[in-house]
Amino acid sequence: GQQVMQIPQYQHVQEGEDFTTYCNSSTTLSNIQWYKQRPGGHPVFLIQLVKSGEVKKQKRLTFQFGEAKKNSSLHITATQTTDVGTYFCAASSGGSYIPTFGRGTSLIVHP
Amino acid sequence: KAGVTQTPRYLIKTRGQQVTLSCSPISGHRSVSWYQQTPGQGLQFLFEYFSETQRNKGNFPGRFSGRQFSNSRSEMNVSTLELGDSALYLCASSLVPWTASSYEQYFGPGTRLTVT
Repeated sequence: GQQVMQIPQYQHVQEGEDFTTYCNSSTTLSNIQWYKQRPGGHPVFLIQLVKSGEVKKQKRLTFQFGEAKKNSSLHITATQTTDVGTYFCAASSGGSYIPTFGRGTSLIVHP
Repeated sequence: KAGVTQTPRYLIKTRGQQVTLSCSPISGHRSVSWYQQTPGQGLQFLFEYFSETQRNKGNFPGRFSGRQFSNSRSEMNVSTLELGDSALYLCASSLVPWTASSYEQYFGPGTRLTVT
């Protein structure tokens, strides 16, 4: 079945540094979604990307969908302690909503 | 506006039993999806319902089933529980289908199921 590789698994940063997590697939994706989950909490939907080369911004967060629709990234500028959590991508292919989740990147921000 | 609610929040069952979990979506939301989250397998998609119809199903055995009612509330059932079914079961609702550019999905707090 479809697999989505997400890297890195963990990322420690000093507050104010930037952070990026990547999701890669060997197959062409229909869409990719990004979520954030705080420790002990439930996933929070951040965004969905559907178009080749799409770039979307939400304040300090920048989301990109690759031109070939096989990879995506989430970039956080100037991290804050409130950014702590695990960031997941979820991707579907073949025109159906059957998302495959990446294993997540846990972001630890040191004040 | 109230968020997605799930009941019960915690549940302990014995291997071989069955369990029913309930999800009430945000008012007006007609799409409900279910997910399983475990430390070993991560987040996995179970199924999606829209207007009482199951539209998509993940790769889970037939012991996992669900349904959606006319008021969009949804239930999922797991029969013949196994130890490996211990997980956080999450429900999420959305107003528009995932194909819509304005798609957003809201998760409930989850039901923590422990099978002993």
